[in-house]
This record gives sequence, C-alpha cells and structure tokens, in this order.
Amino acid sequence: NAGVTQTPKFQVLKTGQSMTLQCAQDMNHNSMYWYRQDPGMGLRLIYYSASEGTTDKGEVPNGYNVSRLNKREFSLRLESAAPSQTSVYFCASRTGVINEQFFGPGTRLTVL
Amino acid sequence: KQEVTQIPAALSVPEGENLVLNCSFTDSAIYNLQWFRQDPGKGLTSLLLIQSSQREQTSGRLNASLDKSSGRSTLYIAASQPGDSATYLCAVRPGETSGSRLTFGEGTQLTVNP
Repeated sequence: NAGVTQTPKFQVLKTGQSMTLQCAQDMNHNSMYWYRQDPGMGLRLIYYSASEGTTDKGEVPNGYNVSRLNKREFSLRLESAAPSQTSVYFCASRTGVINEQFFGPGTRLTVL
Repeated sequence: KQEVTQIPAALSVPEGENLVLNCSFTDSAIYNLQWFRQDPGKGLTSLLLIQSSQREQTSGRLNASLDKSSGRSTLYIAASQPGDSATYLCAVRPGETSGSRLTFGEGTQLTVNP
C-alpha cells in the first residue's frame, strides 16, 4: 500500500498562473481532504469530499476548486495563483470504520 | 466552536527522559482524538487514535490518555530518543457522529538531545 500520494512535491508559480495538485489514495477510503499548513496558523481545511461525487467547502476555500475524480483521486486546483497561496498543501483520507485519518507527504507551493 | 490547545509550544529534553505532551480542547463532546507526528518538511504520521469511549491507547513507548470530562489528552513518551525529535500534533474530531472534521492544535515541537 502506498497510502496517500501527492504530486508534485514542489512547485513554483508566478502570480496569475494556474495549476492542479493531484492526490490519490489506495486504501479504499470514502472521505478525502485538502489542507494547507502555514506557520502560526496550523492546519486549515480547504475542501473535503465525504464520498465519491460530493465535495464541500472547509474553512478557507476561496481561490480554490476541487474535483473528486473517482474514489481514489481528489485534486485541488488554483485557477489564478496569488502570493497568499504560498503554503504547504496536504491531502488526507479517512477510514470509515475507526475514523482514523492519514496524510500524504505534502506539496510545497511558492507563488511569486 | 471547538478549539484545541497544545502546551508547551516547544520542549527540549535530554535523551532517556520520560516526557508528557499536553492537549486540551474546549468542547468535551468529541467522537475521537488523534495524535500525529510531523518531521520537518514531511507529512503527518498517525501515532495513536483514541475513541471517545476509551481512556487510553498504547503503541510501543507511546501512551495516549483521554479525559473527556476535563477536555484533556496527554501523550506520554517513555525513554525518549533523539529520533523522537519532531512536532507532535493533537487533533479532535468533534461531535457525536463520525462525519465531523478534525480540529488541530498547533503542535509541540520536541527536541531530544543526545
């Protein structure tokens, strides 16, 4: 089991550029999440998907869109990147039995 | 709104010491509580999960306890080693159903000195 995987690991964008962060899990989990982590702000939820075909906003959804492509994959899109979106982005998924959450290795994004 | 606090923000101890990390939460109505470890530049690794009906969980040198009524959890690390150096995060899943979302503390940065 690879667990939760994310691509790319690092990315540098210019203001106004767009990109999609990819996330996949091979644990057959229904729920998937996107967080951002910033110094002094902790982990903040951007979007989540309780099951295939559904998505919901978290605490900080502005400037982002998501797609739950299938049960395995959950992508995060920045349509027009801003310097305020410089952060580390984590994808996570959750078991449906004991409700334990697992995280991917993260994507370090810099917007110039 | 559930709030999670971890004190201290940073802790430095000599190798071999037993230590306790603290986590407090404002609303005792929780579904479960999870402890994570985060190494610099890495993702979060799940250490222990305690369901609301449980008092403690153990894994190797780690023991996590939960006192819902007082809104507290502790992570006990026995015989600390330099490899334990990392940031430890506590996260609470609020409410009485599994559908709620985790609320995270800001973490305790632990340094174990050889």
